[in-house]
Amino acid sequence: DGGITQSPKYLFRKEGQNVTLSCEQNLNHDAMYWYRQDPGQGLRLIYYSQIVNDFQKGDIAEGYSVSREKKESFPLTVTSAQKNPTAFYLCASISRQGSTEAFFGQGTRLTVV
Amino acid sequence: GENVEQHPSTLSVQEGDSAVIKCTYSDSASNYFPWYKQELGKRPQLIIDIRSNVGEKKDQRIAVTLNKTAKHFSLHITETQPEDSAVYFCAAMPQGDSWGKLQFGAGTQVVVTP
Repeated sequence: DGGITQSPKYLFRKEGQNVTLSCEQNLNHDAMYWYRQDPGQGLRLIYYSQIVNDFQKGDIAEGYSVSREKKESFPLTVTSAQKNPTAFYLCASISRQGSTEAFFGQGTRLTVV
Repeated sequence: GENVEQHPSTLSVQEGDSAVIKCTYSDSASNYFPWYKQELGKRPQLIIDIRSNVGEKKDQRIAVTLNKTAKHFSLHITETQPEDSAVYFCAAMPQGDSWGKLQFGAGTQVVVTP
């Protein structure tokens, strides 16, 4: 399945709570990404990381935080500051060497209840 | 930063006809332009890509063209089949310091009717 795994597949959160989405890859890819997908709005970039211990904000970073302590892992925390967190979240990774194809995880559907 | 615009948002075609999706980008540093297909309930998958040193690339029924001067690129699907029904995303990625910032368009819902 492309070697990139997101968990869980479905997640429910109460308003006011932080929640962390997991993304792990065993492809030895350099860059990792988090996208948010809402109907009719495509894939909007939340954060991306080109190397370990470094990450950059995307277009909609407010209310989210990330870390990149290991090359294989790029967890996303949805904080209580994110005003409309219910969405489908996709993680992806790319290698800097050779093919630049982005491999996506299966996604996590987050619902705030 | 890079901004990718994609048109149309929806496209209905008769089976056997051609489909064309167009994208524009804003960052002249972008040099990699992939296209992804996302079927319902599945993850996006790469179908074709092009780099800025070529103007056209083909793979069976799909082709991509790139006009660097005008900063636009297009996906062409010929002889469409029902299994081509999906959402298609274009994307752009720059080189240099912003390498890795992969920006997507808003997507095109393609419906192929038999």
